[in-house]
Amino acid sequence: GAVVSQHPSRVICKSGTSVKIECRSLDFQATTMFWYRQFPKKSLMLMATSNEGSKATYEQGVEKDKFLINHASLTLSTLTVTSAHPEDSSFYICSARAPFDNEQFFGPGTRLTVL
Amino acid sequence: GDSVTQMEGPVTLSEEAFLTINCTYTATGYPSLFWYVQYPGEGLQLLLKATKADDKGSNKGFEATYRKETTSFHLEKGSVQVSDSAVYFCALDNYGQNFVFGPGTRLSVLP
Repeated sequence: GAVVSQHPSRVICKSGTSVKIECRSLDFQATTMFWYRQFPKKSLMLMATSNEGSKATYEQGVEKDKFLINHASLTLSTLTVTSAHPEDSSFYICSARAPFDNEQFFGPGTRLTVL
Repeated sequence: GDSVTQMEGPVTLSEEAFLTINCTYTATGYPSLFWYVQYPGEGLQLLLKATKADDKGSNKGFEATYRKETTSFHLEKGSVQVSDSAVYFCALDNYGQNFVFGPGTRLSVLP
């Protein structure tokens, strides 16, 4: 099946620094990728929809300047958490929509801890 | 808007017990329905899916049938194992828009 990878799997950073998370579709081209955030013992919350070559569409309540999303190619989308604070600590999951059957494939997630 | 409701649990069962996790949805049209599983510390894995009414998805002993009349997609397994302990998410995808997830149900299976 289609594979989506995320890097890094875990990251610990100091408050005020920026962190970049990569999401790659390894064996298919994804015109659309999604970024989700998952709080402990909670469901996934869609943060934004990322389309290759255009600006991301953010969900209500998600700060665009805080969570920068770039979808520079058909296989790569990046999420940058700028000036991270402890409340940004969370599990971030990306997914990529496959063009062949429109199914979404999820990455393994990135656990961000901001000290 | 579209929504998914599922029993939140936690659900605790003994090994070899029968499992049912209820899931109901609200959506316009005819969405595709999914069950995802998340093991501790990991991302989501697709467990099974159904794309139209009366379809039955099945995988690893788990089954769910798309019931349009009751807008439900209940997950069942006849005999659970300790290795099935995880969080299970019901989700829908309405015509290629974004996914809508249920709150997740935590399952613990005791030996």
